[in-house]
Amino acid sequence: EVQLVESGGVVVQPGGSLRLSCVASGFTFNNYAMHWVRQTPGKGLEWISLITWDGTTTQYAESVKGRFTISRDNSRNSLYLQMNSLRVEDTALYYCAKVSLRSTIWRHFDYWGQGTLVTVSS
Amino acid sequence: DIVMTQSPDSLAVSLGERATINCKSSQSVFYSSTNNYHLGWYQQKPGQPPKLLIYWASTRESGVPDRFSGSGSGTDFTLTISNLQAEDVAVYYCQQYYSTPWTFGQGTKVEIK
Repeated sequence: EVQLVESGGVVVQPGGSLRLSCVASGFTFNNYAMHWVRQTPGKGLEWISLITWDGTTTQYAESVKGRFTISRDNSRNSLYLQMNSLRVEDTALYYCAKVSLRSTIWRHFDYWGQGTLVTVSS
Repeated sequence: DIVMTQSPDSLAVSLGERATINCKSSQSVFYSSTNNYHLGWYQQKPGQPPKLLIYWASTRESGVPDRFSGSGSGTDFTLTISNLQAEDVAVYYCQQYYSTPWTFGQGTKVEIK
């Protein structure tokens, strides 16, 4: 059974930093690209970052480019999101999601984690 | 960026009736190398993450009841829920995975009338 479990969400002050983690199980993690998607009541679902299966390619939404860094450790079946220079508008539930087909990024997301809540507030 | 626009924002349908949700992409999401529309539909119930229902615009994910169907072409797509059940109350999102950034529609909330 595929499982994605996010952690690391907390309350942080504006300008602060945070690292989110997503631990995967139930599939061969190093074969699949992974995404981070966030959700806020006001803006719905927003894709924010992708990393390929081997970690060689990353992409970011303009809203987080230069502030967030996605990475993965295939030996630990783990995906990460380093979040720096956090803003109030980064407050959201952050999900990790798995791409449905190995070795490609051009597919839908077939599994999502339960999410971890990040609150940026003074 | 490809803008995904859903309509309506919400709808109320009687049990056993049909719910129809529309999604329009601001440009084509047809990818010739896969010969498919890179368009998916997700269901999100309260307190849960999104769940994949439909991919390639019309292919039902394994385990999804056959009352859910997707259709469309060009830039216009539809998710139809026939014979609406109480457990179908949720917010439904379309998503394009044709180009970066991947984008979602704003969501359509389905309720029971």
